[in-house]
Amino acid sequence: GQQLNQSPQSMFIQEGEDVSMNCTSSSIFNTWLWYKQEPGEGPVLLIALYKAGELTSNGRLTAQFGITRKDSFLNISASIPSDVGIYFCAGHLNTNAGKSTFGDGTTLTVKP
Amino acid sequence: EAGVAQSPRYKIIEKRQSVAFWCNPISGHATLYWYQQILGQGPKLLIQFQNNGVVDDSQLPKDRFSAERLKGVDSTLKIQPAKLEDSAVYLCASSLYQGREQYFGPGTRLTVT
Repeated sequence: GQQLNQSPQSMFIQEGEDVSMNCTSSSIFNTWLWYKQEPGEGPVLLIALYKAGELTSNGRLTAQFGITRKDSFLNISASIPSDVGIYFCAGHLNTNAGKSTFGDGTTLTVKP
Repeated sequence: EAGVAQSPRYKIIEKRQSVAFWCNPISGHATLYWYQQILGQGPKLLIQFQNNGVVDDSQLPKDRFSAERLKGVDSTLKIQPAKLEDSAVYLCASSLYQGREQYFGPGTRLTVT
């Protein structure tokens, strides 16, 4: 089945630094989604991307849908302590089944 | 707008026992998903409903797992009998329709001893 490779697996950064993480796949997707999950909670949607090449921002977060439709990245600028959590990418293919595939997440730690 | 509701939040059972989880999606959302999330991994899709019909259950261990969404609104996921490896968080999500952004509930943390 489809698999997503998400990197890096973990990041330890200083408050104020910028962060970049990405997801790659051997298959194409029609939709890329980025989520953040905090302990004991379900994933919360950050950004949704629906078109190849699309660049979308949500506050300090920016994500892009790769032109090949096989990758996406998420950038966080000027990180703050509340950015701590696990960031997941998810790819969705609009077939009849419409299945979503998740990466294994990037764990972000921000040191004040 | 109310989010996705799930219950219970936590459940501890012994192996070979059965357990059921309940999910109420966001009002008006046609698509409902059940995911299994093992510690340190991303969510893995178990089953996807479009209204009350199953769209994808290819990764559902059908010998022990079952799910239903009888009236196209809320849904239940059952495990019978449970195994140790079923220990995980079970997440429910809903979307307006297939291919759109999914909204997750808080999950049910299952521990099988």
